Formats: sequence, C-alpha cells, structure tokens
Amino acid sequence: KNEVEQSPQNLTAQEGEFITINCSYSVGISALHWLQQHPGGGIVSLFMLSSGKKKHGRLIATINIQEKHSSLHITASHPRDSAVYICAVSQGAQKLVFGQGTRLTINP
Amino acid sequence: SAVISQKPSRDICQRGTSLTIQCQVDSQVTMMFWYRQQPGQSLTLIATANQGSEATYESGFVIDKFPISRPNLTFSTLTVSNMSPEDSSIYLCSVWVTGREQFFGPGTRLTVL
Repeated sequence: KNEVEQSPQNLTAQEGEFITINCSYSVGISALHWLQQHPGGGIVSLFMLSSGKKKHGRLIATINIQEKHSSLHITASHPRDSAVYICAVSQGAQKLVFGQGTRLTINP
Repeated sequence: SAVISQKPSRDICQRGTSLTIQCQVDSQVTMMFWYRQQPGQSLTLIATANQGSEATYESGFVIDKFPISRPNLTFSTLTVSNMSPEDSSIYLCSVWVTGREQFFGPGTRLTVL
C-alpha cells in the first residue's frame, strides 16, 4: 500500500463545476503539499499545509491531521485548470513522498 | 520564492551514452533534490545534493549510474550514465526554501532509443 493515496486517479468535468481531489496518507508528516503538473512536465507548488485550510483564488486546500486526509477543491473550474494534481507529504527531512497524481480534464 | 532553470529541456539519446542535466537556482540554497518521473508514474527521489559534500542517494539509485555534482549553493548537475530505454523519464530538480515551500525546475524530458 502506498504511503500517499489519491482519488480519483482521473477526473473529467464540465467547465464551471466544483472539483474535489482527495489525498490520504498513512505516515506521520510535517506538512502536506499540493502540486500542479502541466503536460510539459513542469511542476508548480500550489499549497503547503500543516493544519486547517488555505485559499488561493479559486483553489482551496484543507487538511485533517487526525484523519490523515487532505482535499483540494477548485471552484468554478476552467479548461486551463486541466493538469495533473499531485499530493505529497514531507516528514521533516524536506524530502517529499508523492501520491500517484490525479489527472483532471475540464471540458468547455 | 526561487526560480529554477534546467538544461536541456529535452533530449533524445542513444543507449549506452550519458547525459548531464544542469540545474541553476536564482538564490543560494542548502539542499537541492533530484527526482525522476517515469512515464505514467509519480515522482521518485533520486538523491539529495548538499553543497560541499557527497550526495545522499535513495534506495535503488547509485552514484555510478547517477553521479551528482554540487559545486556551489546555486548550481547542481545530474548525469544519467550508460543510458538504457528504461531511463526515459522526466528529471526534475527542486529546492526547499526554508519556511516557505518546495520549488521545482521545469524538468528535463529524456528519451533513450
């Protein structure tokens, strides 16, 4: 069993829909990261969370430390949000352990 | 923040040859990380590179295959040696900005024929 599990693996939605991507982890962590990878391969860090909730524009990330679970939400989704979203956890040594990613496709 | 550049952005290589990937950061950082992403897979850490010391390799990765240099606080190279088609991947470097977050380079897409 992977230390970081994401669901769903693939998600297709229509423009404007509310999107939720889930991440569960089985190890103790110092922080959880949400990353975005576009088709060219480059990765952008969206959020780093150790508790609670963060919001940036249409993106919201939450984490429940007790349940070892995090969610990434996208409101009013847009085709440009189409990407692979990756959940990763750090365990204090700055190394990241990655989930397998969620491929999101937003159709116009 | 930290801006990271990588060279080359992509390359197609013949098996048995070696390729050196460069990673340049616009600020001084203590630790740099090299990751591999095989097709359809998530990222896997190859090694951690600290300036002035030998790189620390993760299980399954060895220095003879992936030698790393870290000559100063803004630069590192990863060499993929004696390449085979199984080495076809995206290779990414990243840095951790203390108290902030992890920043990734744009990646080097390697295809080995």
